[in-house]
Amino acid sequence: GENVEQHPSTLSVQEGDSAVIKCTYSDSASNYFPWYKQELGKRPQLIIDIRSNVGEKKDQRIAVTLNKTAKHFSLHITETQPEDSAVYFCAASSEGYSTLTFGKGTMLLVSP
Amino acid sequence: DAGVIQSPRHEVTEMGQEVTLRCKPISGHNSLFWYRQTMMRGLELLIYFNNNVPIDDSGMPEDRFSAKMPNASFSTLKIQPSEPRDSAVYFCASTLTSGAYNEQFFGPGTRLTVL
Repeated sequence: GENVEQHPSTLSVQEGDSAVIKCTYSDSASNYFPWYKQELGKRPQLIIDIRSNVGEKKDQRIAVTLNKTAKHFSLHITETQPEDSAVYFCAASSEGYSTLTFGKGTMLLVSP
Repeated sequence: DAGVIQSPRHEVTEMGQEVTLRCKPISGHNSLFWYRQTMMRGLELLIYFNNNVPIDDSGMPEDRFSAKMPNASFSTLKIQPSEPRDSAVYFCASTLTSGAYNEQFFGPGTRLTVL
């Protein structure tokens, strides 16, 4: 089955800095890669996703890049703000199948 | 739409007792997932239903865990007997599976504490 590794497990940055979270996956058939944000005590919520037919996708201050050859994908957050503080999860799936395999999560702390 | 609804939001029970968690998926969604979240193991998929049929239950930890989906608008996850190591947050999520991948919407979760 699929295995998703996520790094780092914790990340502390100053407000205004950029943050990068990286994930690798094992199943070459995976072609859908969502990122979820989970604030303390809340549910995970989708913030951005990418499919294997594109290499990069941006939505305001967040972007995701995908390297299918190397089987890794990354989340980039620019101009971080304290409200970006949360746990971020990457995941992988094969299109046509609904199940997601999640990484272990990255706790991002943005200090004012 | 109210989103995915889970009950109870918090459950405290004693070891050996039966626990039943409930989930109402988003109307129109045809896939439902039960996850367990702990600090040590992260977010684990327990079981996945499609059109009310269990498709993948390989994540169910042991026979003490069982899940049902009697209709498209209701699912239960039961633990009998419960043990302290079952303490976790249990999330239910739903999506519309239509060929292309669609976003999974999570419920608010049930925080289970087994004493």
